Amino acid sequence: NAGVTQTPKFQVLKTGQSMTLQCAQDMNHNSMYWYRQDPGMGLRLIYYSASEGTTDKGEVPNGYNVSRLNKREFSLRLESAAPSQTSVYFCASRNRDYVHEQYFGPGTRLTVT
Amino acid sequence: AQSVTQLGSHVSVSEGALVLLRCNYSSSVPPYLFWYVQYPNQGLQLLLKYTTGATLVKGINGFEAEFKKSETSFHLTKPSAHMSDAAEYFCAVSGGGYQKVTFGTGTKLQVIP
Repeated sequence: NAGVTQTPKFQVLKTGQSMTLQCAQDMNHNSMYWYRQDPGMGLRLIYYSASEGTTDKGEVPNGYNVSRLNKREFSLRLESAAPSQTSVYFCASRNRDYVHEQYFGPGTRLTVT
Repeated sequence: AQSVTQLGSHVSVSEGALVLLRCNYSSSVPPYLFWYVQYPNQGLQLLLKYTTGATLVKGINGFEAEFKKSETSFHLTKPSAHMSDAAEYFCAVSGGGYQKVTFGTGTKLQVIP
């Protein structure tokens, strides 16, 4: 049982390049989330998916797109990377409803130059 | 709407001293409250959670928190700090059928030998 896995662990992009961050969970959770973590700002929600086939914007969605490929996988795409997107990105999953805790992946450290 | 305020971005305690990390929340519905811990270069992991019932909640590694509705607080405590407790701690709130979880900005705990 691997929990939540993320790839890659590290990535350096040039401004304007695109990339996709991958996330998968093996806990049969319905909900999945993408956060970014910046110093002094805690975790900010980018997008979430309450169930397979649905996605919704979070607090900071601009510049990102997501795909809930199936129940296990939730990817985050940066179409044209900007230096402001330099951050640590975390994927999380949670069972059906709001009383349950989230399980986090190990993170992807992204630098945009 | 819901929000979380963590008082003190950095807290230092001596090894063996009491740990007190403060969290105040606002929520328009009965809240579900969580404390997560993040060790360097890792994802977040759950310390403890309050959903309903007993207001004093015990978690892993000797931590506990008390839900005080009248004070809208959910402070985290540990009677005796250990060097291994040095980490960043996040308070979070969820509720009302939302899929979203709102995180505080985090408190970095330093333990001085």
